[in-house]
Amino acid sequence: QSVLTQPPSVSGAPGQRVTISCTGSSSNLGAGYDVHWYQQLPGTVPKLLIYRNSNRPSGVPDRFSGSKSGTSASLAITGLQAEDEADYYCQSYDISLSGYVFGGGTEVTVL
Amino acid sequence: EVQLAESGGALVQPGGSLRLSCAASGFIFSSYWMSWVRQAPGKGLDWVANIKYDGSEKYYVDSVKGRFTISRDNTKNSLFLQMNSLTAEDTAVYYCARDLGAAPGSIPYDYWGRGTLVTVSS
Repeated sequence: QSVLTQPPSVSGAPGQRVTISCTGSSSNLGAGYDVHWYQQLPGTVPKLLIYRNSNRPSGVPDRFSGSKSGTSASLAITGLQAEDEADYYCQSYDISLSGYVFGGGTEVTVL
Repeated sequence: EVQLAESGGALVQPGGSLRLSCAASGFIFSSYWMSWVRQAPGKGLDWVANIKYDGSEKYYVDSVKGRFTISRDNTKNSLFLQMNSLTAEDTAVYYCARDLGAAPGSIPYDYWGRGTLVTVSS
């Protein structure tokens, strides 16, 4: 059971918009800690996609966007492409655990 | 170009020990916090430990406290993870990652190594 809760899977047709939720609690997202998102393509290393809630590292397409409000955060992918099929993870810090926590991951499937 | 290269993963028996290494290049290693993150086969990501740029602060996930030790050698641009009393639950790919920021607080990892596989089995 992950401290941050994500849906196991989401899917969408090419060109559509999909969102992935990341639900935390008062000891992590609700305490004001930033959320970060990673993309892990099949058989590859995780890649930082969004950092500090809504910032994109250089080279990440603007089709990817992040937001955070209260104890929840979300990652949106607009104009879904076949190459976006991957696992996506949210990450933050939990003051009760005094450690860094990840969501369980969401598998995105392009129909 | 930032590069992180882990080594040291192996098949080890329960109760055994292993030392992982991570060779860093392409950035000023002594200026960055560093972390170990693991991923069990077919599972999600789990933070294991991190260490301050000068080695003076170290933090661990509860499940490895007292068994794992993170360390670094800034003269050799290297990060280490000494793992003792290993159990099957420690079986995972172990990634070395660079922290984009400083503890305390929520820190993202902007660069990851390719990982090294640790398998704990008899």
